[in-house]
Amino acid sequence: GAVVSQHPSRVICKSGTSVKIECRSLDFQATTMFWYRQFPKQSLMLMATSNEGSKATYEQGVEKDKFLINHASLTLSTLTVTSAHPEDSSFYICSARAVGPRFPLHFGNGTRLTVT
Amino acid sequence: DAKTTQPTSMDCAEGRAANLPCNHSTISGNEYVYWYRQIHSQGPQYIIHGLKNNETNEMASLIITEDRKSSTLILPHATLRDTAVYYCIARNTGGGNKLTFGTGTQLKVEL
Repeated sequence: GAVVSQHPSRVICKSGTSVKIECRSLDFQATTMFWYRQFPKQSLMLMATSNEGSKATYEQGVEKDKFLINHASLTLSTLTVTSAHPEDSSFYICSARAVGPRFPLHFGNGTRLTVT
Repeated sequence: DAKTTQPTSMDCAEGRAANLPCNHSTISGNEYVYWYRQIHSQGPQYIIHGLKNNETNEMASLIITEDRKSSTLILPHATLRDTAVYYCIARNTGGGNKLTFGTGTQLKVEL
């Protein structure tokens, strides 16, 4: 089945530094990938839609200058959390879908970010 | 995408069938019903989806009512590893393809 790989699975960084998270579709091409964030005991909240070769579309309330998204190829999207603060500590999850409206979205295993 | 309503939590004995209901009374004709589950500290896992016919795969069965206003996910023989939050999502395939997650049902499978 379709596999989405996310790296790293866990990262701890100091306040003020930047962290990059990678999302790869391993056995299919994904023109669109999605980035979600999940706080403890809450559901997933969509942050942005990443489109290959064009600018990402951000959901309302998500700062595009803080959460930089790059989708340079059909199999790779990256999310960079810039100038991280403790309130950015969360579980970040990416998803991707093979081409075609009936294919389901598949999710990576998430990245646990802790900002100290 | 249509709003879905699920019970907050359910319990099931191991080895028994787990039947998880979902209401989607405002679903439109071109919206599929998708089911995902999320085991603690992992990304959501795709289970099954359907439009109007019942569907079955190696993981589960999906029963959609004739009027499409509700559906039931059936795990035929629940195990402890099926303990997870189960999300029912109505998704318009032409609407950017993103998935909007509700609060889901916390299924607890017990001995």
